[in-house]
Amino acid sequence: EAGVTQSPTHLIKTRGQQATLRCSPISGHTSVYWYQQALGLGLQFLLWYDEGEERNRGNFPPRFSGRQFPNYSSELNVNALELEDSALYLCASSPTGTSTLEQFFGPGTRLTVL
Amino acid sequence: GEDVEQSLFLSVREGDSSVINCTYTDSSSTYLYWYKQEPGAGLQLLTYIFSNMDMKQDQRLTVLLNKKDKHLSLRIADTQTGDSAIYFCAERPTGYSTLTFGKGTMLLVSP
Repeated sequence: EAGVTQSPTHLIKTRGQQATLRCSPISGHTSVYWYQQALGLGLQFLLWYDEGEERNRGNFPPRFSGRQFPNYSSELNVNALELEDSALYLCASSPTGTSTLEQFFGPGTRLTVL
Repeated sequence: GEDVEQSLFLSVREGDSSVINCTYTDSSSTYLYWYKQEPGAGLQLLTYIFSNMDMKQDQRLTVLLNKKDKHLSLRIADTQTGDSAIYFCAERPTGYSTLTFGKGTMLLVSP
């Protein structure tokens, strides 16, 4: 069974530009979560999508946004990039209907803002 | 609110046992997870425990939970060089779907 996939692996942008990151969940999983792993800050929750709807949002400015498509894949958009947005962005998926809600992570997209 | 704390670094010799510690603050019933992150890779779920359990064992891994002190530990028996990685503790209160992670403990296993 294929795991969570993310693209691109690496992304280099300059300040003020926009970045788009993509995630495909494990087949059958309807929930997708986005996390930011910045140096020294650990993993910070960004966004949660389930069944095409945004269900929860972490403490990030509105220039971080996203969406989930009918096939449950998801996109994270970061507008007006700032230097401190440089981080590893991790996507995770989980199945519905399980109380444990184990989240399975992809390999991440490394975003570098110059 | 939740806050998860971990020590940042642990160094052990191959063959020894490793114990990685974590404390959490949420007072409601909760799931607690251990994830492993190898260099350049995403997070791999190792194991999880519900807060009404005291212990869970899975091959070389033993999770111990002290509910009174809100202290969680991950013991790795017979630690190997391939166990060198960053280990994250995470908490998810029941009724919530998002995880709160600690900053991670870097485990270095020397031959």
